[in-house]
Amino acid sequence: TQLLEQSPQFLSIQEGENLTVYCNSSSVFSSLQWYRQEPGEGPVLLVTVVTGGEVKKLKRLTFQFGDARKDSSLHITAAQPGDTGLYLCAGKEYGGATNKLIFGTGTLLAVQP
Amino acid sequence: ETGVTQSPTHLIKTRGQQVTLRCSSQSGHNTVSWYQQALGQGPQFIFQYYREEENGRGNFPPRFSGLQFPNYSSELNVNALELDDSALYLCASSLAGGLRNEQFFGPGTRLTVL
Repeated sequence: TQLLEQSPQFLSIQEGENLTVYCNSSSVFSSLQWYRQEPGEGPVLLVTVVTGGEVKKLKRLTFQFGDARKDSSLHITAAQPGDTGLYLCAGKEYGGATNKLIFGTGTLLAVQP
Repeated sequence: ETGVTQSPTHLIKTRGQQVTLRCSSQSGHNTVSWYQQALGQGPQFIFQYYREEENGRGNFPPRFSGLQFPNYSSELNVNALELDDSALYLCASSLAGGLRNEQFFGPGTRLTVL
C-alpha cells in the first residue's frame, strides 16, 4: 500500500519556469520531509515540516504542509538546470509504532537550459 | 561533522549468495535505518536499529537481517539472494526522540544480483 502519492511523476520544463509538486495521503503525518536525489546517490534532505499549515522557504523553493497534515506541496520559482533531480516526499505516520519514513512515489524533474 | 558513509559502493552477486553491507552513522546520531530503493521507485523501509536492537521492521523476509554496534555503525545482511534483491540500499542515521524525525542518508550501495 502506497500511503504517499506524488504528482506529477515526471516533469520536463524550460529554465525560468515555475512548477509545483504535490504529495498527498489519506493518512495524517506527524512530520514530513522533502528530499532531492540525484542518480546513483542518496536522498539529500531539503526541509522538514511538522505543523499543519506551515510554510517554509529555501531560496527559490517553497514548501507547504497541509492544514490537516495529510498533504504537502513543493513550489519552485524560476527553475534552473541545477534543480534537476528526483524529488521525494517522506513522512512519519502519526501514531506509527516506529520512526520509519514512508516515501512517496517520487517526481522526476528535468530542467532544460 | 562526518556524514553517513556506506560501503561498498557497488556489488555484484549471484543468486543464492549472501551479502553484507556496512554503514557508519553521522556523528552524534544513535539510530540507523535501512531502506531498499528499486529503480524508479521511492525507498522502502527495511528495519531500524536503536541501542543495538531492532526497533521496527518493514515488509521484508527474515533473510534480511541486521546489526548495530556500540559505535552506532550498522550492517545489513541478506541471505539467499534473489534477482529481485537488485536495488540501491540506503542507510540513514538519526537521533532518537523529537518530533522532527529527520533522517540523513548515505550515498547507498548498488547491489546487482545475477
